[in-house]
Amino acid sequence: KNEVEQSPQNLTAQEGEFITINCSYSVGISALHWLQQHPGGGIVSLFMLSSGKKKHGRLIATINIQEKHSSLHITASHPRDSAVYICAGSMYSGGGADGLTFGKGTHLIIQP
Amino acid sequence: KAGVTQTPRYLIKTRGQQVTLSCSPISGHRSVSWYQQTPGQGLQFLFEYFSETQRNKGNFPGRFSGRQFSNSRSEMNVSTLELGDSALYLCASSLAGQAFNYGYTFGSGTRLTVV
Repeated sequence: KNEVEQSPQNLTAQEGEFITINCSYSVGISALHWLQQHPGGGIVSLFMLSSGKKKHGRLIATINIQEKHSSLHITASHPRDSAVYICAGSMYSGGGADGLTFGKGTHLIIQP
Repeated sequence: KAGVTQTPRYLIKTRGQQVTLSCSPISGHRSVSWYQQTPGQGLQFLFEYFSETQRNKGNFPGRFSGRQFSNSRSEMNVSTLELGDSALYLCASSLAGQAFNYGYTFGSGTRLTVV
C-alpha cells in the first residue's frame, strides 16, 4: 500500500470551476509538499506545509496533521492549470531531509 | 539566480551499458536528491546527498549509485542498464539544514531510453 494516496486520479472540469485534490498519508511526515508537473516533465514546487494553510494566487493548500490529510484547491480554474498535481511527504530523522515519498498524481484537465 | 541544471536532457543507451547523469544544484544548496519517474511506478526516491555523504537511499538495486562533490554537484550512475531503467531521472536541490525541512527545487530531468 502506498504511503501517500491521492484522489481523484483524473479530473476534468470546466474553466472557472473550483477544484479540490485530496492527499492522505499513512506515515508520520515532517512536511507535505504539493508539486505541479506539466507535459515535458518539469516539476514545480507549489507549497510546502507542516501545519495550517497556505495561499498563493488562486492556489490554496491546507493540511490537517491529526487526520493525516491535505487538500489543494484551485479557485477560478483556467486551462493553463491543466497539469499533473502530485503530493509528497518528506520525513525528517534528525540528520536532515530524507527524500520524498510521492502520491501517484492527479491528472487535471481544465476545458475552456 | 540559476536553477537546478541537469545534463544531458536526453540520452539513448544500449542494454548492458552504463550511464552517468549530472546535477548542479542552486548555489548555496547543499542537498541533492535523485528521483526516477516511470509511467508504471510514478515518482520514486533514489537517494539523497548532503555535504558529500549519502544520507538516505530508496529501494533500488546496487546498480544505481551516486556521489556528491565538494561544490555540491552530484552525479548518479546506473551500471548494466536494463530496459526497465528507461525513465525520466529528476534531481532536486534543497538547503536541507539540520533542524528544518526546506523546500525542493527540481531540475528539468534527464530522459533516459534504454534500447
